[in-house]
Amino acid sequence: GAVVSQHPSRVICKSGTSVKIECRSLDFQATTMFWYRQFPKQSLMLMATSNEGSKATYEQGVEKDKFLINHASLTLSTLTVTSAHPEDSSFYICSARSKNNQPQHFGDGTRLSIL
Amino acid sequence: DQQVKQNSPSLSVQEGRISILNCDYTNSMFDYFLWYKKYPAEGPTFLISISSIKDKNEDGRFTVFLNKSAKHLSLHIVPSQPGDSAVYFCAASAQRGSTLGRLYFGRGTQLTVWP
Repeated sequence: GAVVSQHPSRVICKSGTSVKIECRSLDFQATTMFWYRQFPKQSLMLMATSNEGSKATYEQGVEKDKFLINHASLTLSTLTVTSAHPEDSSFYICSARSKNNQPQHFGDGTRLSIL
Repeated sequence: DQQVKQNSPSLSVQEGRISILNCDYTNSMFDYFLWYKKYPAEGPTFLISISSIKDKNEDGRFTVFLNKSAKHLSLHIVPSQPGDSAVYFCAASAQRGSTLGRLYFGRGTQLTVWP
């Protein structure tokens, strides 16, 4: 149980393109989903927290107009990197949680490469 | 400010022996701790957790110990197997307060189990 699917696993695109990443909880209802970014040899850095039906809460330094998050249902959240530039190239990972006192379960991540 | 620290970036252990991964934290509000395992190009997989009301939690070959006074936790894997080779992340959260449920991660420890 507790499977989280993230798609796509890898994206390579030109600078200026907007990229959408999907995160789905397959066998549970995720009241909260999280989006992380990981740089090489660094820990996971939380970008934003989203609760179904409400606006995402962004961490300090994360541009909400750059990283659009939509948590449309209890099983789906999307992250859109708008007008992506090479500095946005990174590994993006989502996680989902059913309740506050339950562990987060992670997707397999998306490797984003902007040329 | 790194609130969760894993000071050993790597650990090498022979198959069959015990692996001990360590983690320290600074925030006394943390009351829920988790260990995740991560293979390359995949998202972290939840391994085991412990609440601050306990000092030990065991699940098969994995045992997590919590020393609240020292703000230290450790993950013991015994016996270690080659398939355990991965990066292990320690994470902590506070179940109360403004950062409810948010996970803070260490930078990870690369465990290598050799035959």
